[in-house]
Amino acid sequence: GQQLNQSPQSMFIQEGEDVSMNCTSSSIFNTWLWYKQEPGEGPVLLIALYKAGELTSNGRLTAQFGITRKDSFLNISASIPSDVGIYFCAANALNFGKGTSLLVTP
Amino acid sequence: DGGITQSPKYLFRKEGQNVTLSCEQNLNHDAMYWYRQDPGQGLRLIYYSQIVNDFQKGDIAEGYSVSREKKESFPLTVTSAQKNPTAFYLCASSRRQGAGEKLFFGSGTQLSVL
Repeated sequence: GQQLNQSPQSMFIQEGEDVSMNCTSSSIFNTWLWYKQEPGEGPVLLIALYKAGELTSNGRLTAQFGITRKDSFLNISASIPSDVGIYFCAANALNFGKGTSLLVTP
Repeated sequence: DGGITQSPKYLFRKEGQNVTLSCEQNLNHDAMYWYRQDPGQGLRLIYYSQIVNDFQKGDIAEGYSVSREKKESFPLTVTSAQKNPTAFYLCASSRRQGAGEKLFFGSGTQLSVL
């Protein structure tokens, strides 16, 4: 499978700050999925995007499916310590990003 | 409760030994997957199965083997041919394999070499 290009690789922020990460590909995909993995656990689905241009929210999380269908963005507003983890983008089961590691200090 | 269960949580392998990681799901999903995770490397696909009695190699299948004799079960064997087996192994399932299918992950198995 093709690895998606995810950035940044890691982020170290203070509680209350907003966070933005993105995922790009050289190929067009019809779906973008965002997962969060906490230490020692398996990833859990946060948001699924199925339509180009779609903007979807899940609490403080907002994700967008790029118009070109080659990218997606995830934003976290007003971060809290429990947001700590690795965030992965995926187009399907065979194509994953390498993850963005997020650390939040109180 | 429906879900996907991996066991054991921690596993140790001696040199030259084969070990088998268990993955069971009761979600009635057709597709199942095995991933390897190394620090900073993201998830790399080892094998996947779209249906019972069928499976395909992923990106890093060498040194691993799988079987899919039952819909609920997809065990992974790490063989002695895998020279660097220390990693976190994740099993996942989805209704079927294809674009847009949501993955449900187990809680992982940490394999270490003694």
